[in-house]
Amino acid sequence: GNSVTQMEGPVTLSEEAFLTINCTYTATGYPSLFWYVQYPGEGLQLLLKATKADDKGSNKGFEATYRKETTSFHLEKGSVQVSDSAVYFCALPRRTGYSTLTFGKGTMLLVSP
Amino acid sequence: NAGVMQNPRHLVRRRGQEARLRCSPMKGHSHVYWYRQLPEEGLKFMVYLQKENIIDESGMPKERFSAEFPKEGPSILRIQQVVRGDSAAYFCASSPEEAGANVLTFGAGSRLTVL
Repeated sequence: GNSVTQMEGPVTLSEEAFLTINCTYTATGYPSLFWYVQYPGEGLQLLLKATKADDKGSNKGFEATYRKETTSFHLEKGSVQVSDSAVYFCALPRRTGYSTLTFGKGTMLLVSP
Repeated sequence: NAGVMQNPRHLVRRRGQEARLRCSPMKGHSHVYWYRQLPEEGLKFMVYLQKENIIDESGMPKERFSAEFPKEGPSILRIQQVVRGDSAAYFCASSPEEAGANVLTFGAGSRLTVL
C-alpha cells in the first residue's frame, strides 16, 4: 500500500517565522495528497489538498505543492501565528483510488509570541 | 448541519470491562472510518464501514475488537475485555462517497482510559 513519511517534531518557532514541514510519500500512481491539522483536544481537520502533480493546495496562508519528481508534498507558511500551534498530518489514500487515508505520524508545531 | 458526532468524549473502564464508542456520521455520509491514535504515534486505520457492511477491517486487532454500522443508528466500535494498551483516542470519520475527493470529516474523538 501507499505510505507517507513526515519530519518529526516538535517544530518550535517564534511568531512570524517561516514554516516548512517536510512530507514524502511512496505510492502507486498519482493519488491525491492531503494535509490535516489537529488542534489540542480536537479531531483532525482538512487543511489543504492537491489532486494531481504540480497542483498547489492552499488554505489559511498554508501552501503545499504536489511534486512527483521528488515524491514530496511539503507544507509551508510564510509567517506563522501562535494560533497555528497544532499537530500537522500528511496523508494519502492507503491505495490509490481508494477512500481510506493513511497518515504520517504527525508533526507538532509550537509557536511562541 | 452537524458534523461527525462521537460519544462519549471520555470513557474510563477497568481492565476486563467492555467499551462501546459511538459515531454518527455527517448527514448524507454513508461511509464511516475508525482510527486509533496512541501517544507518540500517528493515526492508525482500523476499519472502514458502509451501512450494514464492513468494507475493510485490515487494521482491526484480531481479537476483542469489533465494529458495526447498522441500517439505523450510529456506528459502534466495541472493545471487549479492555486492557491498558487499549487506552487511546479513537476517532471516527465519514465521507459521502468511496472514491473521488477522499476528503474525510473527523469527529472530535473518544478518549478511552483503561485503569
